Amino acid sequence: RKEVEQDPGPFNVPEGATVAFNCTYSNSASQSFFWYRQDCRKEPKLLMSVYSSGNEDGRFTAQLNRASQYISLLIRDSKLSDSATYLCVLLRGGYQKVTFGTGTKLQVIP
Amino acid sequence: ETGVTQTPRHLVMGMTNKKSLKCEQHLGHNAMYWYKQSAKKPLELMFVYNFKEQTENNSVPSRFSPECPNSSHLFLHLHTLQPEDSALYLCASSRQGAEAFFGQGTRLTVV
Repeated sequence: RKEVEQDPGPFNVPEGATVAFNCTYSNSASQSFFWYRQDCRKEPKLLMSVYSSGNEDGRFTAQLNRASQYISLLIRDSKLSDSATYLCVLLRGGYQKVTFGTGTKLQVIP
Repeated sequence: ETGVTQTPRHLVMGMTNKKSLKCEQHLGHNAMYWYKQSAKKPLELMFVYNFKEQTENNSVPSRFSPECPNSSHLFLHLHTLQPEDSALYLCASSRQGAEAFFGQGTRLTVV
């Protein structure tokens, strides 16, 4: 089983829609979780950290479910500019073990 | 601007050439990373440096040679590369247990 699994998509959604992605992980020792977004041919950029209690940043909500070993990202009122690949990232053991998911591609359609 | 700068942004090199990629971070982070991203593939972690010491080498071929002279600078020395090594090479830095910040990458083409 892969350490991190994401549905590659693409998720094609109309503007204004709500869309959610999940990311499952296999190692329960994973300590920190993040969502990054990567635009085509650009570097990944941090979107938000994921906290155990769940956290929200504007239209974006991230949640962590340690019991079921997944994190989620919810995007409300999708904008065309949200079109990108969304990567989940797990961190354990401080610096050494950084694992990226393969990414989920989102395409917001006018 | 994330505080992580990579040069050059684009590089074309022959299979017999030797070149180096440079990364510099101005964030006061202790860890630096090299990643490779091939077309339509996920990020692959290559090397990790923690306080200038290499802590991870993810089975990378010896034609890639990293160097970390201090916590702010990271190099990737390249020699006798293959066309399949063409990719986007990304540098990142972080504090322990915190998120990583990426440079804009070097797009490498081996001809």
